[in-house]
Amino acid sequence: KNQVEQSPQSLIILEGKNCTLQCNYTVSPFSNLRWYKQDTGRGPVSLTIMTFSENTKSNGRYTATLDADTKQSSLHITASQLSDSASYICVVSRLTGGFKTIFGAGTRLFVKA
Amino acid sequence: ETGVTQSPTHLIKTRGQQVTLRCSSQSGHNTVSWYQQALGQGPQFIFQYYREEENGRGNFPPRFSGLQFPNYSSELNVNALELDDSALYLCASSLRLNAGSDEQFFGPGTRLTVL
Repeated sequence: KNQVEQSPQSLIILEGKNCTLQCNYTVSPFSNLRWYKQDTGRGPVSLTIMTFSENTKSNGRYTATLDADTKQSSLHITASQLSDSASYICVVSRLTGGFKTIFGAGTRLFVKA
Repeated sequence: ETGVTQSPTHLIKTRGQQVTLRCSSQSGHNTVSWYQQALGQGPQFIFQYYREEENGRGNFPPRFSGLQFPNYSSELNVNALELDDSALYLCASSLRLNAGSDEQFFGPGTRLTVL
């Protein structure tokens, strides 16, 4: 069954600290993996996208990694800011005619002053 | 801003009614996907339209239907609304070039409340 599991479900950190969010997937055949940031009540905004051959990709203070062998990805946030408070969603696409995408439930991050 | 717009932003309906949600895709994009996101959950794939044809569907009943127009804008129609249909409905547009380039750009969503 094609699934995307994220952990932790929620996380509280202090401003300025680093954190790492995890994503495990069983989606096959794999096309790409994306991390999105979603503010409450808004649409998700893409942070990174990685294909099978990419191990790491950065976007400012966000760094995503991908291990296609173990089917794991992580999103590392450096020097967190209050504005980083949001849900972070891992999305994996299958390589099918329909480009079916499977969303994780997200990790809710709270950054406190 | 992603260039994807949705209307209306909020909507309140009662059980049994019908609703139409609209989405204008980003300029140059030929594919539109619709998602339902319940509070505290990740988005659930409803269906995707590519060049006016349905191209993939999630586990949603037939009362969820859609259209894509020649300008690639799209509508999501839901008949016989149920309380559980209350959710944020997201539209995402993308440009299908090849198997690896389906990055989706999301609109701000329509918040539907069914009473």
